[in-house]
Amino acid sequence: AQSVTQPDIHITVSEGASLELRCNYSYGATPYLFWYVQSPGQGLQLLLKYFSGDTLVQGIKGFEAEFKRSQSSFNLRKPSVHWSDAAEYFCAVGARGGYQKVTFGIGTKLQVIP
Amino acid sequence: KAGVTQTPRYLIKTRGQQVTLSCSPISGHRSVSWYQQTPGQGLQFLFEYFSETQRNKGNFPGRFSGRQFSNSRSEMNVSTLELGDSALYLCASSAGGRADTQYFGPGTRLTVL
Repeated sequence: AQSVTQPDIHITVSEGASLELRCNYSYGATPYLFWYVQSPGQGLQLLLKYFSGDTLVQGIKGFEAEFKRSQSSFNLRKPSVHWSDAAEYFCAVGARGGYQKVTFGIGTKLQVIP
Repeated sequence: KAGVTQTPRYLIKTRGQQVTLSCSPISGHRSVSWYQQTPGQGLQFLFEYFSETQRNKGNFPGRFSGRQFSNSRSEMNVSTLELGDSALYLCASSAGGRADTQYFGPGTRLTVL
């Protein structure tokens, strides 16, 4: 069974600073990997996903993530954070052998200070 | 294209009661998945339906059940509610293939008193 670890429950960054949210997964093969964002009172919105090919994935809102097989990681990055990026971010892993069974991490809450 | 809709958005029930939540997927999507979101546990997968059949199931007790109709709309039922069932219940729809993206609804906030 797959699992996801997001080691940082809460992160605070200054507006304009760079951001990196960590995600480590456990899965026996190359998984499908996702990053979602959830604003207060909202559902989850997909930021980006990795299925195969280029290990650096570009997403919406200026986010990118890099799949590193050797480290079992899929960290999310943004070069310059905006106040509107304050939200909760979820990393998720999907098994290639199973349909739509996605396991989510516990989430990282991002606070942006002016 | 309209997004995933969930009704009701908020619900208050008492212990022992049962509840039914509804999810209407994006038009053309045949897969609907349900998740329970709580502050301590994050998102936990409940089950997934595809073309009216349950295709995947998470580790929840039998009090949690679901179904899907021919128009792909899905309902989730929880019987004999417990305090610990208080959560945000999210549904997500997709075309149903392995690599297809899931699109989430806004959720139903269930409070059990």
